[in-house]
Amino acid sequence: DTGVSQDPRHKITKRGQNVTFRCDPISEHNRLYWYRQTLGQGPEFLTYFQNEAQLEKSRLLSDRFSAERPKGSFSTLEIQRTEQGDSAMYLCASSRRGGKNYEQYFGPGTRLTVT
Amino acid sequence: AQKVTQAQTEISVVEKEDVTLDCVYETRDTTYYLFWYKQPPSGELVFLIRRNSFDEQNEISGRYSWNFQKSTSSFNFTITASQVVDSAVYFCALLQTGANNLFFGTGTRLTVIP
Repeated sequence: DTGVSQDPRHKITKRGQNVTFRCDPISEHNRLYWYRQTLGQGPEFLTYFQNEAQLEKSRLLSDRFSAERPKGSFSTLEIQRTEQGDSAMYLCASSRRGGKNYEQYFGPGTRLTVT
Repeated sequence: AQKVTQAQTEISVVEKEDVTLDCVYETRDTTYYLFWYKQPPSGELVFLIRRNSFDEQNEISGRYSWNFQKSTSSFNFTITASQVVDSAVYFCALLQTGANNLFFGTGTRLTVIP
């Protein structure tokens, strides 16, 4: 199995610009998660998909954030009108179908820097 | 309410020493899952172990061992005979019943000095 992949690995953008990140989960995993990690902190949950349905969003996911998983495979996370506070590592994870939501496998992350 | 506390922010050990990373959690659930992840400098979180709340049996995997004690709400991680490649940030995480997301502690940065 190939692992979770994310693209790009690094993104530098100017404040006010829009950015979009992509996540490709492990192929047989139907559950997909987005987390955000700031310096010195643990990852914080943003949103969760089961297949193409977005089933949960945290309060961290402001109106400027939108996530999609159109065919239940890859997912995109878009941030509109970026702010300096959006600078963080954005992590994607996936887990297998059935059973509990354990053993989430993480991708390498996209590091966003907003200047 | 849930909480995961990793009180040790940074630990440095000399290679071949044993080291224990502490994790204390809080949850109102009687059924939950606990995890340890490793985050090397490359940034990718690597899954190490999952433990169910109803299984207090300790586990050993090579140089790694985990001690789960429900009575003290702790899930500690010991690395025996540490190696430089063990240098990383280690995160403890909690998954409550019915929840979809992992709740992480703030991590412990382990540096193994050659």
